[in-house]
Amino acid sequence: EAGVTQFPSHSVIEKGQTVTLRCDPISGHDNLYWYRRVMGKEIKFLLHFVKESKQDESGMPNNRFLAERTGGTYSTLKVQPAELEDSGVYFCASSQDPNWGGREQYFGPGTRLTVT
Amino acid sequence: GESVGLHLPTLSVQEGDNSIINCAYSNSASDYFIWYKQESGKGPQFIIDIRSNMDKRQGQRVTVLLNKTVKHLSLQIAATQPGDSAVYFCAEKLNSWGKLQFGAGTQVVVTP
Repeated sequence: EAGVTQFPSHSVIEKGQTVTLRCDPISGHDNLYWYRRVMGKEIKFLLHFVKESKQDESGMPNNRFLAERTGGTYSTLKVQPAELEDSGVYFCASSQDPNWGGREQYFGPGTRLTVT
Repeated sequence: GESVGLHLPTLSVQEGDNSIINCAYSNSASDYFIWYKQESGKGPQFIIDIRSNMDKRQGQRVTVLLNKTVKHLSLQIAATQPGDSAVYFCAEKLNSWGKLQFGAGTQVVVTP
């Protein structure tokens, strides 16, 4: 069974440009999470989807970030316009049952975003 | 892959020695904690977890200790191997939907 996949693996863009990150969760997983790690700091929660609905978006930093999960399958995270402080690694995770927490959350390899 | 954060605490361990990685968590109401391992270019990988009604849990070569009084977690790795070189994160589950809050991470470097 394929794990969580993310595309692209690395993106370099200029300040002010737009970037869209994609996450494909494990098939059948209703729960999808986005996290990010800014260099040298901890991994921070961004938001959580249950199927196509946003369950919790309390970690989204500002309105330059837009996450979607149309159809409840893959998800996209768009940053528009990108700023220098958006640089970091964006992780996606999915789980079938969220109640067991970390054991059941499977992480993708991440997308490394560099804003210059 | 992802490069190591410039300000990550680093633990250098000789191969074969035991490693102890420490973590302080923030929420006294958290009831579930996890240790993750992240290798370069990969996402966090589950190592071991512990519920708040326990103070110790053992896995294969790893032990997690929980001290709720001082909100402290530790991960012990026995007989550290080169393949254990990675960044280790502790995390606490903040709600029933699986929202995780991570610690800053510790870089473990295993030397021969």
